[in-house]
Amino acid sequence: DTEVTQTPKHLVMGMTNKKSLKCEQHMGHRAMYWYKQKAKKPPELMFVYSYEKLSINESVPSRFSPECPNSSLLNLHLHALQPEDSALYLCASSQLESGNTIYFGEGSWLTVV
Amino acid sequence: AQSVSQHNHHVILSEAASLELGCNYSYGGTVNLFWYVQYPGQHLQLLLKYFSGDPLVKGIKGFEAEFIKSKFSFNLRKPSVQWSDTAEYFCAVNARSGYSTLTFGKGTMLLVSP
Repeated sequence: DTEVTQTPKHLVMGMTNKKSLKCEQHMGHRAMYWYKQKAKKPPELMFVYSYEKLSINESVPSRFSPECPNSSLLNLHLHALQPEDSALYLCASSQLESGNTIYFGEGSWLTVV
Repeated sequence: AQSVSQHNHHVILSEAASLELGCNYSYGGTVNLFWYVQYPGQHLQLLLKYFSGDPLVKGIKGFEAEFIKSKFSFNLRKPSVQWSDTAEYFCAVNARSGYSTLTFGKGTMLLVSP
């Protein structure tokens, strides 16, 4: 079982909606990540948080807004998304230093209609 | 920037056949290398990883991979596949200093027929 928990597992939203994806880990990891995975494609990095601060933003559109309320939680706020944003959104965590294993959650399947 | 290339996008094997999936990376410095597996409808799971030391690493479920630095390769192998190995396999590299971010290859879909 994954120790990174994501909710909801499935989400359908309209283009004018505001919704949030949530992620939680209790492994004491100080780095947390959001990846986006389109069907039959590899995951692509979106954001990296280290010590609850945004460290990397891979030029993600502002309609995706990450938030890290504490060291265990990571949110992804969604607003005014487009149908092409439909994908599997993966949360992950790791120890901070380079090369540590990244543990992935099961993902949230997002469909934008 | 680093990149990862997986040569086979689809592989079809019969049970008990041997498996080798190719992975090459491009990066001039020190890298950490990973193979992840994604079973249908499930999350990414780590199969094995290479950080340093013995270039032949063994992972879960009978998988192993060999790091050949001169060839920038990290190929995944299994002597005898099972139907339950049907999944997508991703090679990934971590080469960004200070972070454990991963760059993934495009993946190889393995279908094992019983």
